[in-house]
Amino acid sequence: GQQVMQIPQYQHVQEGEDFTTYCNSSTTLSNIQWYKQRPGGHPVFLIQLVKSGEVKKQKRLTFQFGEAKKNSSLHITATQTTDVGTYFCADPYSGGGADGLTFGKGTHLIIQP
Amino acid sequence: EPEVTQTPSHQVTQMGQEVILRCVPISNHLYFYWYRQILGQKVEFLVSFYNNEISEKSEIFDDQFSVERPDGSNFTLKIRSTKLEDSAMYFCASTGARGQPQHFGDGTRLSIL
Repeated sequence: GQQVMQIPQYQHVQEGEDFTTYCNSSTTLSNIQWYKQRPGGHPVFLIQLVKSGEVKKQKRLTFQFGEAKKNSSLHITATQTTDVGTYFCADPYSGGGADGLTFGKGTHLIIQP
Repeated sequence: EPEVTQTPSHQVTQMGQEVILRCVPISNHLYFYWYRQILGQKVEFLVSFYNNEISEKSEIFDDQFSVERPDGSNFTLKIRSTKLEDSAMYFCASTGARGQPQHFGDGTRLSIL
């Protein structure tokens, strides 16, 4: 089945450093969604990217969608302890039906003060 | 802001027993989902439900599982003859339109003994 691959699996950063996670698909994506899951929490929607080459910003977070719509990235500038969690990319058109999300394995962001 | 609610938050069950996990999706949403997350792993799609029937299901969703919308508000996941490997966090999600962001509940932690 369709898969989205995400790297790195874990990322340790010092507070204030930048962080980036990458998501790749073997097939062209119609759109891609990003979710954040805090430790012990549930996935929370961050953003959806639809257009080829699209870039969207949310404060310190920058999301990009590749020109070929096969990859995406999330970049956080100057991380803070509140950024701790796992960041997942997700393909919302996994099976052609009512669209269960196909999640990547996620990147666990660990911040050292 | 409207929320997806799930009960119970934690369910402990003997192997071989049946469990029912309950969800109340956001009231004006039309698409409903169940996901599973084994500890430390990614979120996995189980099943989607639309217009009072299953729309899509994954390989995980075999005859052991069933879903139901018994009334206008509840959405349930039944797991029959539970196995040790069914231990996981189960998330319910809903959305108003196909491919749009999904709203997740806090999850039910299922522990099979």
